[in-house]
Amino acid sequence: GAVVSQHPSWVICKSGTSVKIECRSLDFQATTMFWYRQFPKQSLMLMATSNEGSKATYEQGVEKDKFLINHASLTLSTLTVTSAHPEDSSFYICSARAVGGVNYGYTFGSGTRLTVV
Amino acid sequence: GQQLNQSPQSMFIQEGEDVSMNCTSSSIFNTWLWYKQDPGEGPVLLIALYKAGELTSNGRLTAQFGITRKDSFLNISASIPSDVGIYFCAGRPDSGTYKYIFGTGTRLKVLA
Repeated sequence: GAVVSQHPSWVICKSGTSVKIECRSLDFQATTMFWYRQFPKQSLMLMATSNEGSKATYEQGVEKDKFLINHASLTLSTLTVTSAHPEDSSFYICSARAVGGVNYGYTFGSGTRLTVV
Repeated sequence: GQQLNQSPQSMFIQEGEDVSMNCTSSSIFNTWLWYKQDPGEGPVLLIALYKAGELTSNGRLTAQFGITRKDSFLNISASIPSDVGIYFCAGRPDSGTYKYIFGTGTRLKVLA
């Protein structure tokens, strides 16, 4: 089945530094990548949607200058948390929609737990 | 962001019991998905539903797409300890978007 590899699985960084999270579709081409954020014991909140080769669309309240999303190829999307602060600590998960795929069952990555100290 | 109302929020059940949970919305959805998430992992798709009234099974799991298109139900029969986890529903609004909205989650704990 479709696999999305997400790295790193966890990262600890100092406040003020930037962190990059990668999501790769291993056996399919992802025309669309969704980035979610999940706080402990809460649901997944969509942050942004990115289509290969174009700018990401951010959900209301999500700072696009803080959460930089790049989707330069059909198999790779990255989320960079810039100038991270402790309140950015969270679980970040990507989800990929395949090229020509039906609109269901997008494949999720395994998530990245970010801790900003 | 928008969320779907999911209930119950959490439940403890005995091994072997059946489990039911549901997801409701004030607006219409044209696709419903049910996911399970284990701690520290991304969600894994369990069942996908595409049309109102549809009833679909995946092993011990059965899910239904509500007739009104505003709700969905998930049943787990004869629960086992590995059913422990958080179950999320996700719906796609009937607006041509590819985005899914997630439910608030049901945390299931199975007592052996």
